[in-house]
Amino acid sequence: IVLTQSPGTLSLSPGERATLSCRASQNVSAYLAWYQQRPGQAPSLLIYDSSNRATGIPARFSGSGSGTDFTLTITSLEPEDFAVYYCQQQLTFGGGTKVEIK
Amino acid sequence: QVHLQESGPGLVKPSETLSLTCSVSGVSIRGADFYWAWIRQRPGKGLEWLGYISHSGTTYYNPPLRRRLKMSLDKSENLFSLKLTSVTAADAAVYFCARERLHVDSGSVWFDTWGQGTHLIVSS
Repeated sequence: IVLTQSPGTLSLSPGERATLSCRASQNVSAYLAWYQQRPGQAPSLLIYDSSNRATGIPARFSGSGSGTDFTLTITSLEPEDFAVYYCQQQLTFGGGTKVEIK
Repeated sequence: QVHLQESGPGLVKPSETLSLTCSVSGVSIRGADFYWAWIRQRPGKGLEWLGYISHSGTTYYNPPLRRRLKMSLDKSENLFSLKLTSVTAADAAVYFCARERLHVDSGSVWFDTWGQGTHLIVSS
């Protein structure tokens, strides 16, 4: 399975809404996870099984989708949300989307 | 609170064997609910899953690395380890250990706890 994330980079301002996409090369049902990686840090789990927030993850993060098309939405960007985001299915990771400050 | 901590040599010569350990605290690696994984990130690149080991010692490796990779458990020390043989420059990366949640029936997989990572340089 190949996971394709878009866009590669998203330039936004604090307070704006971020919409990140992950497309799978074949049907993966709802078994997709999302991670955030800040510079110099390990990835951390945000969402699993497409829409379930991990423990301690703020409600501004939400995931949706099934089959081949998935979306991670951050409703109002906080300064600490500017990072790289990866989707993952089974043992494959997407290439990442960088959310940068505009 | 679950905590994972990698340790490793930092520098390995080409053709040598890389040995890494991941010390686990806050949860027993004997528990049947979890798998224990290694993931690496080459400089400026994305994430590459290397393999996992279960509480019973069952392993599953990323096929391209299968000939060079071996994982093991030390239940008495509550840690798990990775050995990668015949290291080359292409193996230079940050190596993360992680707790893998695997639902066998559905095939759903995610990594809910990560170590901070250990850097590997490959140089003679």
